[in-house]
Amino acid sequence: GENVEQHPSTLSVQEGDSAVIKCTYSDSASNYFPWYKQELGKGPQLIIDIRSNVGEKKDQRIAVTLNKTAKHFSLHITETQPEDSAVYFCAANPGGTSYGKLTFGQGTILTVHP
Amino acid sequence: GAGVSQSPSNKVTEKGKDVELRCDPISGHTALYWYRQSLGQGLEFLIYFQGNSAPDKSGLPSDRFSAERTGGSVSTLTIQRTQQEDSAVYLCASSADRGGNTIYFGEGSWLTVV
Repeated sequence: GENVEQHPSTLSVQEGDSAVIKCTYSDSASNYFPWYKQELGKGPQLIIDIRSNVGEKKDQRIAVTLNKTAKHFSLHITETQPEDSAVYFCAANPGGTSYGKLTFGQGTILTVHP
Repeated sequence: GAGVSQSPSNKVTEKGKDVELRCDPISGHTALYWYRQSLGQGLEFLIYFQGNSAPDKSGLPSDRFSAERTGGSVSTLTIQRTQQEDSAVYLCASSADRGGNTIYFGEGSWLTVV
């Protein structure tokens, strides 16, 4: 089955710096790669996603890059703010079918210091 | 509200008792998913429903777990004879279909088995 590895497990940055979180996946049939942000006591919230027919996608301060050959994808957050502090999860859809049947990484706790 | 609604938000139950968790998906969404998030763990897929098709139960951890979806809308996840290792957050998500649409999570039901 699909295996998604996420690094680092914790990340601490100063406000205004950039943060990068990386994930690798094992199933070459996966074609959908979302990123979720989860705040304490809340459900995961989709922040950005990418499909396998593109290599990069940006949304304001957030970007995701995908390298299908190497089977890895990354989340980039620029100009970080304290409200970016949360747990971030990457995911992939094994088998490349349903966009909702996802295998998630273990999460990265991001702390942005003012 | 417009989001995925789950109840109860918190549940404490005694070992051996049965529990039912409810999910009300976003109106019009045909696909519904259940995930489990254990303390310090990532999200684990349990089951999903798509329209009138037979549910994909491949993620259910044991036969003590079951779910149903009545009328193509509300879903109930039932855990029989609860064990302490069942303590987790149970998250429901929905999407417009199983294909190219992203999924949206509810806030979760926090289950504690004592």
